[in-house]
Amino acid sequence: KNEVEQSPQNLTAQEGEFITINCSYSVGISALHWLQQHPGGGIVSLFMLSSGKKKHGRLIATINIQEKHSSLHITASHPRDSAVYICAASYSGGGADGLTFGKGTHLIIQP
Amino acid sequence: NAGVTQTPKFQVLKTGQSMTLQCAQDMNHEYMSWYRQDPGMGLRLIHYSVGAGITDQGEVPNGYNVSRSTTEDFPLRLLSAAPSQTSVYFCASNQGGYGYTFGSGTRLTVV
Repeated sequence: KNEVEQSPQNLTAQEGEFITINCSYSVGISALHWLQQHPGGGIVSLFMLSSGKKKHGRLIATINIQEKHSSLHITASHPRDSAVYICAASYSGGGADGLTFGKGTHLIIQP
Repeated sequence: NAGVTQTPKFQVLKTGQSMTLQCAQDMNHEYMSWYRQDPGMGLRLIHYSVGAGITDQGEVPNGYNVSRSTTEDFPLRLLSAAPSQTSVYFCASNQGGYGYTFGSGTRLTVV
């Protein structure tokens, strides 16, 4: 069974701290996705990675294909970054057959 | 663009009733998928479609039917609702090589 594991499950940090959320997967993937979900809210796609590193504003996502591991970093964290961050894997080319998800990391940034 | 539109946003059903959750996208995406989100379980794939007339089962398909007669629409049918189907349902669409776009979700309660 294809599995996606995330850590930590819960993370509380102070405003301004550097945040790292980790994701590992069990078998080869076509792409790794990072998603954000605010309480009671919808799901927003942050990154889709198949290799290397991507950056958008204060968010950075990296992937190591050999180690089957990805990380999401948040620099200069802010209370508005408080949300659930979810990693998900697609296994078919182009993501045709849906996503397999980790259980999410609940992040709270305190002022 | 509206993106992915899900209706209704909230629904209460009695055990044994049937209903259809609607999902429509206006981005001309090839691929569409349905997920349910449950506390402690995360998001799980119910059914997916790689194009009009083509659907397949995901991780938790039992009790649900889908069809895809057009590129735009991908309804999810509950045949005979059970309390175990109480959940938040998300529809998503994507195009090969790009990230996913999610609908805002349907919160379903079966009593």
